[in-house]
Amino acid sequence: DAGVIQSPRHEVTEMGQEVTLRCKPISGHDYLFWYRQTMMRGLELLIYFNNNVPIDDSGMPEDRFSAKMPNASFSTLKIQPSEPRDSAVYFCASSSGRGVSLHFGNGTRLTVT
Amino acid sequence: AQSVTQLDSQVPVFEEAPVELRCNYSSSVSVYLFWYVQYPNQGLQLLLKYLSGSTLVESINGFEAEFNKSQTSFHLRKPSVHISDTAEYFCAVSRGFQKLVFGTGTRLLVSP
Repeated sequence: DAGVIQSPRHEVTEMGQEVTLRCKPISGHDYLFWYRQTMMRGLELLIYFNNNVPIDDSGMPEDRFSAKMPNASFSTLKIQPSEPRDSAVYFCASSSGRGVSLHFGNGTRLTVT
Repeated sequence: AQSVTQLDSQVPVFEEAPVELRCNYSSSVSVYLFWYVQYPNQGLQLLLKYLSGSTLVESINGFEAEFNKSQTSFHLRKPSVHISDTAEYFCAVSRGFQKLVFGTGTRLLVSP
């Protein structure tokens, strides 16, 4: 079991550019979550999917953020255009509907200059 | 809606000393409670959880937490800490298994 895999680990970009973060959940897990972690706001749930369908996107900050899950083994979080206040660590996590534990990836540290 | 309060942002302690990390929650309904640990440059890992049954739950590395419904608390304890326990610890609450609400975290600093 390779765990939840996120790429890239670090991303530095200029304001206004498009950023795409990627996630591969653990095989067999039917829930996928995107979290954002900042010093000021802690861990925030942005969106989660069940069986590739978005269930709750109420945490997505604004229309600049979008997330997709085209299949059970891949998800993306896109920010377009990016702003300095988007700088944070973005975590992807997955879980099985029969389990109670979220399995987190190692995160993507995004810096927008 | 549920919320979690971790009053201590940082807890310094000497190696082999006991430690308690505090967590209080608010919810009008029954909840599930969790402690996660985050080591530097890593994602969060589940440390222990309370779903139902015995109010005292334990982890494999010596941590324990007790669910206290009357005080709406789920404090994390360890009788003797190691240097390797240095990490950030997050308390979390949910009504179901999927939508966790996390506290702001407590950084445990263990020094020799």
